[in-house]
Amino acid sequence: NAGVTQTPKFQVLKTGQSMTLQCAQDMNHNSMYWYRQDPGMGLRLIYYSASEGTTDKGEVPNGYNVSRLNKREFSLRLESAAPSQTSVYFCASSVPRDYYNEQFFGPGTRLTVL
Amino acid sequence: AQTVTQSQPEMSVQEAETVTLSCTYDTSESDYYLFWYKQPPSRQMILVIRQEAYKQQNATENRFSVNFQKAAKSFSLKISDSQLGDAAMYFCAYRSAMNRDDKIIFGKGTRLHILP
Repeated sequence: NAGVTQTPKFQVLKTGQSMTLQCAQDMNHNSMYWYRQDPGMGLRLIYYSASEGTTDKGEVPNGYNVSRLNKREFSLRLESAAPSQTSVYFCASSVPRDYYNEQFFGPGTRLTVL
Repeated sequence: AQTVTQSQPEMSVQEAETVTLSCTYDTSESDYYLFWYKQPPSRQMILVIRQEAYKQQNATENRFSVNFQKAAKSFSLKISDSQLGDAAMYFCAYRSAMNRDDKIIFGKGTRLHILP
């Protein structure tokens, strides 16, 4: 049971390049989330998916797209990377309407856009 | 909209001493959940403790306990007998029990240093 996995762990892009961050969970969770973490800003929600086939915008969706490929996988795509997207990205998953909705987090991806 | 405020960006405590991290939140809802997450240098987010708003009894997990003051909208974390492994960023978080979505709102974090 690996929990939530993310690839890659580190990435450096040039402005304008595109890339996809991958996330997968093996806990049979319905809900999945993408956050970004910046110094002094805490975790901010980019997109989330309540179930396979559905996605919704979070607090900071501009410049990102997501795909909920199946129940296990939720990818985040940067179509044209900008320096403002330099950040640490976390994927998380949870059981919806679970008593506490505890979210389980992946190890994060550190992205630098030059 | 709900907000979570952690007013202490950084704190330091001597090893074996007790430290309290502050958190306040703003909501008009009566039913919700509160969490403290720990993020060590490895970046992994770890749930430390959680509290249900309708429970008056403060949650406790080993050396970690909370002081939940619902009327004051305050949710502080107390760490007793601080250990070097407690050094981390700590995030306070809120989740509504009434909304259809399951989003969690995080504070900006408090970095805790443990002095040997």
